[in-house]
Amino acid sequence: LAKTTQPISMDSYEGQEVNITCSHNNIATNDYITWYQQFPSQGPRFIIQGYKTKVTNEVASLFIPADRKSSTLSLPRVSLSDTAVYYCLPLRAGNNRKLIWGLGTSLAVNP
Amino acid sequence: EAGVAQSPRYKIIEKRQSVAFWCNPISGHATLYWYQQILGQGPKLLIQFQNNGVVDDSQLPKDRFSAERLKGVDSTLKIQPAKLEDSAVYLCASSLTDSGREPQHFGDGTRLSIL
Repeated sequence: LAKTTQPISMDSYEGQEVNITCSHNNIATNDYITWYQQFPSQGPRFIIQGYKTKVTNEVASLFIPADRKSSTLSLPRVSLSDTAVYYCLPLRAGNNRKLIWGLGTSLAVNP
Repeated sequence: EAGVAQSPRYKIIEKRQSVAFWCNPISGHATLYWYQQILGQGPKLLIQFQNNGVVDDSQLPKDRFSAERLKGVDSTLKIQPAKLEDSAVYLCASSLTDSGREPQHFGDGTRLSIL
């Protein structure tokens, strides 16, 4: 199972672009990189998922290089409401078992 | 679409007492998960159901924890007897299938405090 490494915490200011990088050196061929967001006192919420290159939705963009050993979640023009913990997870098509969540990245957006 | 419902929202008990949590997944979701999240850590998978069958319970402390999903819909997680180290948030999640790529939809959890 691919182990992930993310920064424990990050600080930003309103209106800035925030990039959170996750390393997953031993990612498997059929793993998809999935990001979740968790606000205090709430369960995690799915943000975005990708396999390689770039994926964009209304919330974020996900950049995955050709070697797939890392990925970067990009949040454009953050606001105070983006203050949350962000988790990077490799998800395997056909097998969701022994899903291991790391500590995530605690993002603090300041006014 | 209604989300994953969990109750109670908070529970305070003394050690050695028993407690039960309830989860109602999103309608039509075949896969249901129970997680334990200790403060400052990521969620830890306790048990995964596919319909009403257990897919993975390798990290469930079976001497004190039990879970069931009767009729493949609602689920309950029970702790008996509780220990101090069980203080955590218990999250329930569901997904359409267990394909792995399907996003998991989480409830807001039950915060359990053991005195």
